[in-house]
Amino acid sequence: DADVTQTPRNRITKTGKRIMLECSQTKGHDRMYWYRQDPGLGLRLIYYSFDVKDINKGEISDGYSVSRQAQAKFSLSLESAIPNQTALYFCATSAATRREQFFGPGTRLTVL
Amino acid sequence: GDSVTQMEGPVTLSEEACLTINCTYTATGYPSLFWYVQYPGEGLQLLLKATKADDKGSNKGFEATYRKETTSFHLEKGSVQVSDSAVYFCALRNSNYQLIWGAGTKLIIKP
Repeated sequence: DADVTQTPRNRITKTGKRIMLECSQTKGHDRMYWYRQDPGLGLRLIYYSFDVKDINKGEISDGYSVSRQAQAKFSLSLESAIPNQTALYFCATSAATRREQFFGPGTRLTVL
Repeated sequence: GDSVTQMEGPVTLSEEACLTINCTYTATGYPSLFWYVQYPGEGLQLLLKATKADDKGSNKGFEATYRKETTSFHLEKGSVQVSDSAVYFCALRNSNYQLIWGAGTKLIIKP
């Protein structure tokens, strides 16, 4: 079974729609992250959370919001999707005392 | 600010060729350095890491040495296989515990 899961894996939506991407983990890690990946730009951090009560903005948080419902769940929302939010979105986790991040399989989002 | 620069791809090689993917960084202090690999249709996974100067990370035949004097962490493999075809990302972990990523280098290995 995958340690970090993301749903949905693919989503096509229209401009102006509200979208939620979900991430769950069974690794027991406190820290969770949301990234987006664009061709030629690597990964850019959207939001991160060090525990349920700690949410922090990353490099590119505008247009996004997050919710840490439990230690194991971290959701990313696009309140009003726009075409330049078309990208591959990754959730990741890490333990507080280690440096490695573990990634989910990604969600491919297309905004028309 | 902190940054990572890696060579642009795609890099196309024949099977059993030698591989080097260059990575240089800019950061204050002493960051940890990583190489992640992304196989087609999958998420990223850690390939190797080094946490201090002169450390050598290695895994699956890949190696990279933390060179503080040249601020580099080049990825090398002596003999690549078709199964090594993937996108490779260099990254550093800065003093704020954030990962800063390079743009990724696509590697294509032809039989």
